[in-house]
Amino acid sequence: ETGVTQSPTHLIKTRGQQVTLRCSSQSGHNTVSWYQQALGQGPQFIFQYYREEENGRGNFPPRFSGLQFPNYSSELNVNALELDDSALYLCASSLAAVVSGELFFGEGSRLTVL
Amino acid sequence: LAKTTQPISMDSYEGQEVNITCSHNNIATNDYITWYQQFPSQGPRFIIQGYKTKVTNEVASLFIPADRKSSTLSLPRVSLSDTAVYYCLAPFTGNQFYFGTGTSLTVIP
Repeated sequence: ETGVTQSPTHLIKTRGQQVTLRCSSQSGHNTVSWYQQALGQGPQFIFQYYREEENGRGNFPPRFSGLQFPNYSSELNVNALELDDSALYLCASSLAAVVSGELFFGEGSRLTVL
Repeated sequence: LAKTTQPISMDSYEGQEVNITCSHNNIATNDYITWYQQFPSQGPRFIIQGYKTKVTNEVASLFIPADRKSSTLSLPRVSLSDTAVYYCLAPFTGNQFYFGTGTSLTVIP
C-alpha cells in the first residue's frame, strides 16, 4: 500500500468522449505525476504538477490536461478520446519537484476506448 | 531523447542470484538511478535508488561504476514471487522519468 488512490479503477468510453481520472496523493506529498501505460509497454510520462503548477510535460498533445488541487490531489483530463488512448493511467506522488526521491504509484485507472 | 537500455527478458531458477544491467549513457550529473518493480495490473513499486558505488537494502543491491553510465540491480536468491517487470530509471531533464520497456524477469521453479 502506497497511500496513493486512483479512481475509477476501470472505465469504458467511446471515441470522441472526454474522461476525467482522479488521484489522491500520499499524505504530505506535494508533487504528482501522471503516466500512460499501454499493454506490454513501460509507463510513459504525461506531466507533473508541483504545488498546483505544471512543471514538466512529456510528449502528449494538449488534449491531455491536468489539475492539482490545494490538498495536492490531482485530475487527469483527456478530451476527444481516440482508440489509442486505451491504456492503464498511473498516478504517482512524491515529495519534491526536482525528483531524486522515490515515486509512490497508485494501482491505476484502466481506460478502454471503443 | 536520452534513454535507458535494459535486456527485454531474463529467466532464472528459484534460489539463484539475478543481475539486471541497465545502460544510461547520457545520465546527468545530478541524476539518481532508481529501479522499480511492476506486477501485472499494478503500479510500479520502488525497489532501490543510488548515485554511485553500491547501495544495499533488504530486497536488493545496486552497483554503479564510477562513470555512472550503467548500473546493475542484483536480486539475491530469487523466488517465484519475484517474477515481474523491472525498470531502470534515470531522469534526464530533472523531473521527467523515462521508464523504457523494462526487463521481464521470469523465475522458474
